[in-house]
Amino acid sequence: DAKTTQPPSMDCAEGRAANLPCNHSTISGNEYVYWYRQIHSQGPQYIIHGLKNNETNEMASLIITEDRKSSTLILPHATLRDTAVYYCIVRSPGNQFYFGTGTSLTVIP
Amino acid sequence: EADIYQTPRYLVIGTGKKITLECSQTMGHDKMYWYQQDPGMELHLIHYSYGVNSTEKGDLSSESTVSRIRTEHFPLTLESARPSHTSQYLCASSGPPMGETQYFGPGTRLLVL
Repeated sequence: DAKTTQPPSMDCAEGRAANLPCNHSTISGNEYVYWYRQIHSQGPQYIIHGLKNNETNEMASLIITEDRKSSTLILPHATLRDTAVYYCIVRSPGNQFYFGTGTSLTVIP
Repeated sequence: EADIYQTPRYLVIGTGKKITLECSQTMGHDKMYWYQQDPGMELHLIHYSYGVNSTEKGDLSSESTVSRIRTEHFPLTLESARPSHTSQYLCASSGPPMGETQYFGPGTRLLVL
């Protein structure tokens, strides 16, 4: 069952930051927020995940609000290769991943 | 990141044929998964395994079967392919040191004529 709400599509100019929002107002205390992306129907690619604190890795940053009811994935300098469907997933340990329909991000030259 | 492989990448086959989609991973992950995805649609979990000789059905009912005889290998079999089986099949695995994060293979696109 879907526990997240994402906009169906977004555009971002090449070189600018892409900020992808996700609402998860019913998140429980032990549920993690995961982000994946899927390019041209290839296998989904793991991006980042977090529980309460903001996280950053070589691909992106994850900002989780203090009440944990929403989060934002930030791609700091979007490139054309970042065009993909981005999935925000809320998941508790031991449960399966539910990918939903995600946000289709188009990076515009 | 996990190394996970799927073969074949593309398969066109006639109705009634038996097919096996291969999935292998080299990371020693104990958990493996099969998802099915139609074009432009959501991923649906059809099978998973938490270790050797352990297999479970996922959320989406599927006529396919799976086996897990070796840790690194998780093949999916369709005894008699039908056009309704046309889809993309994605394999994933998870395990230490990345915990429950799933890593996906490139997928197999199946077309049954």
